[in-house]
Amino acid sequence: GAVVSQHPSRVICKSGTSVKIECRSLDFQATTMFWYRQFPKQSLMLMATSNEGSKATYEQGVEKDKFLINHASLTLSTLTVTSAHPEDSSFYICSAGGQIEQYFGPGTRLTVT
Amino acid sequence: AQSVTQLGSHVSVSEGALVLLRCNYSSSVPPYLFWYVQYPNQGLQLLLKYTSAATLVKGINGFEAEFKKSETSFHLTKPSAHMSDAAEYFCAVSDNQGGKLIFGQGTELSVKP
Repeated sequence: GAVVSQHPSRVICKSGTSVKIECRSLDFQATTMFWYRQFPKQSLMLMATSNEGSKATYEQGVEKDKFLINHASLTLSTLTVTSAHPEDSSFYICSAGGQIEQYFGPGTRLTVT
Repeated sequence: AQSVTQLGSHVSVSEGALVLLRCNYSSSVPPYLFWYVQYPNQGLQLLLKYTSAATLVKGINGFEAEFKKSETSFHLTKPSAHMSDAAEYFCAVSDNQGGKLIFGQGTELSVKP
């Protein structure tokens, strides 16, 4: 089956620094990838839709200058949280859109101290 | 616009009892509907999906769901709960099979011995 990986699985960074999260589709090409954010005991909220070779489409309320998304190839999308603050601490999940369903990565736990 | 409402943030059943998790949706176009399961600190696993074929959909681990257009519902059931079913369950809607997903609030299922 289709596999999506994320790296790192956990990251701790200091307030004010930036952190990059990678999302890879391992055995298929994904024109579209999605980034979700999940706070503890809450649902997944779509942050942005990432299309290979073009600018990401951000959902309302998501700061595009803070959450930089790059989709440089058909198997890799990256999310960079710039100037991270403690309120950015969350579980970030990516997914890759296949023809018949989305395939989810295992998630990245970001903790900003 | 599309939306999903899951009735009951927490459901508790005894092992061997019927599991019923409720999901109602709103969509201005024919919906694609999904149920996902999430174990702690993990990504999402697809249980089943409705893609306009059969209204009764069978999924993995003995789960099934029935699409009822007149009730705008897509409830998830399992005849006999197992301890390993304890997890968070999310209902989601999309306007296409590989497109962005709108998630419900999630229902935490507890299974008592």
